[in-house]
Amino acid sequence: DAGVIQSPRHEVTEMGQEVTLRCKPISGHDYLFWYRQTMMRGLELLIYFNNNVPIDDSGMPEDRFSAKMPNASFSTLKIQPSEPRDSAVYFCASSPVLQPNYGYTFGSGTRLTVV
Amino acid sequence: GENVEQHPSTLSVQEGDSAVIKCTYSDSASNYFPWYKQELGKRPQLIIDIRSNVGEKKDQRIAVTLNKTAKHFSLHITETQPEDSAVYFCAASSRGNEKLTFGTGTRLTIIP
Repeated sequence: DAGVIQSPRHEVTEMGQEVTLRCKPISGHDYLFWYRQTMMRGLELLIYFNNNVPIDDSGMPEDRFSAKMPNASFSTLKIQPSEPRDSAVYFCASSPVLQPNYGYTFGSGTRLTVV
Repeated sequence: GENVEQHPSTLSVQEGDSAVIKCTYSDSASNYFPWYKQELGKRPQLIIDIRSNVGEKKDQRIAVTLNKTAKHFSLHITETQPEDSAVYFCAASSRGNEKLTFGTGTRLTIIP
């Protein structure tokens, strides 16, 4: 398995533009998580899905952020419109459902810079 | 919800010495405690974990201890090497809740 795959690796965009981050979880992993990492706030959980259904989106900062999981092998995190304070590394992670409380596997992350 | 605190935020250790990172958690129902290592510019990777039915777990030079009564757990790295330099995160979750709550991280620097 190639692991959790995220794209793009780097994204530079102008303030006000729409940004879409993509994630492909490990096949067979029923849980998918989106995290944001900044120096100030560390790793923050934005939203997570179970079997493509959003379970907890309480970490989504505001309405400018939205996430979807149309099928078991693909998820997107969209920011519209983007702002400089959204600059961060966004990680996607997945975990299997067979055992409760199992470690996550993280993707390589997307470094977003909003100028 | 769960709150995980991690100390120290930075730690410098002479090569060959031991390093200890400590975390506390708030939810007494938490029963799974993983540790992640994140090298510069890379993804967090699981290095060791412990469940609440054990008090200590060891894997070569790294070990974790858990004190459920006090609600704290620690990562111990012995005979530190330059490649141990990284940011380490602790986390906690409870049975049936797949959501991990992470600590704020410890930047460990090994001084050659």
